[in-house]
Amino acid sequence: DAGVIQSPRHEVTEMGQEVTLRCKPISGHDYLFWYRQTMMRGLELLIYFNNNVPIDDSGMPEDRFSAKMPNASFSTLKIQPSEPRDSAVYFCASSSTASSSYTFGSGTRLTVV
Amino acid sequence: KNEVEQSPQNLTAQEGEFITINCSYSVGISALHWLQQHPGGGIVSLFMLSSGKKKHGRLIATINIQEKHSSLHITASHPRDSAVYICAVGQGAQKLVFGQGTRLTINP
Repeated sequence: DAGVIQSPRHEVTEMGQEVTLRCKPISGHDYLFWYRQTMMRGLELLIYFNNNVPIDDSGMPEDRFSAKMPNASFSTLKIQPSEPRDSAVYFCASSSTASSSYTFGSGTRLTVV
Repeated sequence: KNEVEQSPQNLTAQEGEFITINCSYSVGISALHWLQQHPGGGIVSLFMLSSGKKKHGRLIATINIQEKHSSLHITASHPRDSAVYICAVGQGAQKLVFGQGTRLTINP
C-alpha cells in the first residue's frame, strides 16, 4: 500500500487566494482526519469523517475552512480566502476500526504570503 | 492544563544512552499512540497501546491505565533517533489529542 497520499507537498499562495489540499486515504480505512500543525499550537484536529460522513468539525477555525469527502478514496480541505495565519503544515490521516491501524500522510506545507 | 502532558520537552543525550520520555493524560482514552517526527518530516506511528507493554527493536512503550501514564524508552540510542516524539491519546472514535512533543537529540 502506498500509504496516505497528500498533495501538494508544498503550497505558496497569496493572501486572499483559494487553496485546496487533497488526501487519498488507505484503502479500506473507515476514518479520515485532517490535522494542522503550527509551532505555537502543535497538532490540532480540524475535522474527521467516518465512512465519508463528517462527524466532528469543531476544530475548523472559521467559515473560511471547509472539507469534503465525496467518496471513500478522496478528501479535500479548502481555505477560501486564505490568510497568512493559515500558514502551517496540514496532515491527513486515516485509520481502521477493524485493524486499529493509524497512518499519517506526509503533510502539505502551506505558506500564505 | 493540557489534556496530554509530556516530559521532558527537550532531551539531549550521548549515543548509547538509555532514553525515557514520559506522557501523562487526564482524560479517558481508548488508546495511546507514540509518534515520531523528524525535522521537516512526516509523522510516523511507532506504537498504539491500550494496556501493558510493546517492544519494537530498540523501542519499548508502556502504559499504566490506572495512573494515566505512559513511557517511551529507547535503548542504545543512536543519532538517527534524533527526532520529536509525540504522545497522543485516542478518544472515542479514534480522533487524537496530542502532547506538545519531546525534542530528542542524540550526539555521537
